[in-house]
Amino acid sequence: EAQVTQNPRYLITVTGKKLTVTCSQNMNHEYMSWYRQDPGLGLRQIYYSMNVEVTDKGDVPEGYKVSRKEKRNFPLILESPSPNQTSLYFCASSTKDTEAFFGQGTRLTVV
Amino acid sequence: AQKVTQAQTEISVVEKEDVTLDCVYETRDTTYYLFWYKQPPSGELVFLIRRNSFDEQNEISGRYSWNFQKSTSSFNFTITASQVVDSAVYFCALSEEAFGNEKLTFGTGTRLTIIP
Repeated sequence: EAQVTQNPRYLITVTGKKLTVTCSQNMNHEYMSWYRQDPGLGLRQIYYSMNVEVTDKGDVPEGYKVSRKEKRNFPLILESPSPNQTSLYFCASSTKDTEAFFGQGTRLTVV
Repeated sequence: AQKVTQAQTEISVVEKEDVTLDCVYETRDTTYYLFWYKQPPSGELVFLIRRNSFDEQNEISGRYSWNFQKSTSSFNFTITASQVVDSAVYFCALSEEAFGNEKLTFGTGTRLTIIP
């Protein structure tokens, strides 16, 4: 089954404690992105990747890091999370011929 | 810069009524693509439709229809004979790429509640 898998689905953490949200796709897609969803703001892009070792900033990259060492994985790293990073996060993947396919989302709370 | 405006934050209608969700966009690109996504209460994002800027034909898919008007920069979504399963948050999005591979610019979403 084609899917984008995010882990964890839910996470509560404390300010400053480094965390990683993983994203894995099994469709051999070149493109992957991270978005955050906040009430009244819709979804905003954090980072995207066009292929292995190629990443670029989206609209709200501050406080986040990504890496793309393998085609299937695109982890989102919060080195020092803060409460304003409390949000619902979505990973997406696609090819040049398909629409973005989104993961189930990760709800992160930073206290 | 691209921008998508969904002025309707929340809409409630009684089941079987028709409802239209508005989407207005801004872009300087001459070629662009518009999308609608559905986010049901379970939280996932479900792709509904993609339309390119050269195709202003309206589209109908079952109870869903989309009206694209370049003259007013709008891409509205109508659900006829609404059902409880249509209750969700709906997002309109814009991209300069055919499939939004590098970036989708989303509106703020419209929460639709269908009252049984």
